Amino acid sequence: AQSVTQLDSQVPVFEEAPVELRCNYSSSVSVYLFWYVQYPNQGLQLLLKYLSGSTLVKGINGFEAEFNKSQTSFHLRKPSVHISDTAEHFCAGQAAGNKLTFGGGTRVLVKP
Amino acid sequence: GAGVSQSPSNKVTEKGKDVELRCDPISGHTALYWYRQSLGQGLEFLIYFQGNSAPDKSGLPSDRFSAERTGGSVSTLTIQRTQQEDSAVYLCASSSGTSWRDTQYFGPGTRLTVL
Repeated sequence: AQSVTQLDSQVPVFEEAPVELRCNYSSSVSVYLFWYVQYPNQGLQLLLKYLSGSTLVKGINGFEAEFNKSQTSFHLRKPSVHISDTAEHFCAGQAAGNKLTFGGGTRVLVKP
Repeated sequence: GAGVSQSPSNKVTEKGKDVELRCDPISGHTALYWYRQSLGQGLEFLIYFQGNSAPDKSGLPSDRFSAERTGGSVSTLTIQRTQQEDSAVYLCASSSGTSWRDTQYFGPGTRLTVL
């Protein structure tokens, strides 16, 4: 069975500083990976996804993520955060033929 | 265009009562998903509708939970004899494709509180 692990439940970061959110997955088959963001009292919004091809994926709002097969990781990064990036971020994975599995979420708390 | 909408946004009910949660997907989207988001369990898949195919109900936690999708559009999630552990945010999503790797568009959710 596939699982997705987000190693940090909360990441405090100062405005304009870089941030990295860690995500590891376990799967014995090819996997598709996603990062979603959830702003307060809103639904989830797709930031980016990896299906195949280049391992560096660029998404919306200046976020990017790198797929690392050898380390089974898909960490999300942003070089300079804004107050508006304060939100819950979810990593998700899907193994062929299976459902989307979400990690536990990482709350990014941007401080002025 | 309009996104996924859900109603009500908040629902408070008493233990043992039945509740119905509604989801209006994006027009033309053939796939519709229900998830549950709770403090203890995170985001869990509940049920998946794809076109006219039989729904994938494998995520429903008990037989008190059921869902239907009428006319390939609006969906209703019904919870019978609610329990306190049913308290959660119920999220609906839709997508235009036929694969789980197609982008899912989420609604704002319905927050259910069972007293």
